[in-house]
Amino acid sequence: EDQVTQSPEALRLQEGESSSLNCSYTVSGLRGLFWYRQDPGKGPEFLFTLYSAGEEKEKERLKATLTKKESFLHITAPKPEDSATYLCAYMYSGGGADGLTFGKGTHLIIQP
Amino acid sequence: GAGVSQSPSNKVTEKGKDVELRCDPISGHTALYWYRQSLGQGLEFLIYFQGNSAPDKSGLPSDRFSAERTGGSVSTLTIQRTQQEDSAVYLCASSLVALYGYTFGSGTRLTVV
Repeated sequence: EDQVTQSPEALRLQEGESSSLNCSYTVSGLRGLFWYRQDPGKGPEFLFTLYSAGEEKEKERLKATLTKKESFLHITAPKPEDSATYLCAYMYSGGGADGLTFGKGTHLIIQP
Repeated sequence: GAGVSQSPSNKVTEKGKDVELRCDPISGHTALYWYRQSLGQGLEFLIYFQGNSAPDKSGLPSDRFSAERTGGSVSTLTIQRTQQEDSAVYLCASSLVALYGYTFGSGTRLTVV
């Protein structure tokens, strides 16, 4: 059973059409919830870490929020250059070795 | 260096051969991680090094996989007797404080034929 689930698997938006990506997790003892962006042929690029429910962080057109069981990545008025796969991951107490458990990602396409 | 460097960027090998993948982390980062990304799958944790401590090998899928980190810097991931299911992108990351996020390299795409 997946401990972190991202939805949707893929999302196609028109330029300027705002939306949200979801990351649901089932573990307790969360130490951090991470969002990464991955472009084709490249490694993931760090975006945010959220540490506790109610926390929000923003970067350009992206805003990440966290509740006790899920995180959302809100994309406001996206541009084609926002097209990428967005990955969430968590680190939890007892997870060992500061390792991250990743979801399978949401593949986002922004059409001009 | 300015980022995490991995080499080679692509590797094609015959089934049964051994391969070595190299990772050069960001200078000063004490933690180093190896992950594997297969088509359609999430990133899979393989192994973790922190300073001079014994590595956490809990994610290695079989005893054909091993890794070492020399002098607290460069790391080499070795896969012996490669199998077709080993084909994937192998990603290395480093961090100073894990909770602040890792920095990943661009990966090595391994194809076993």
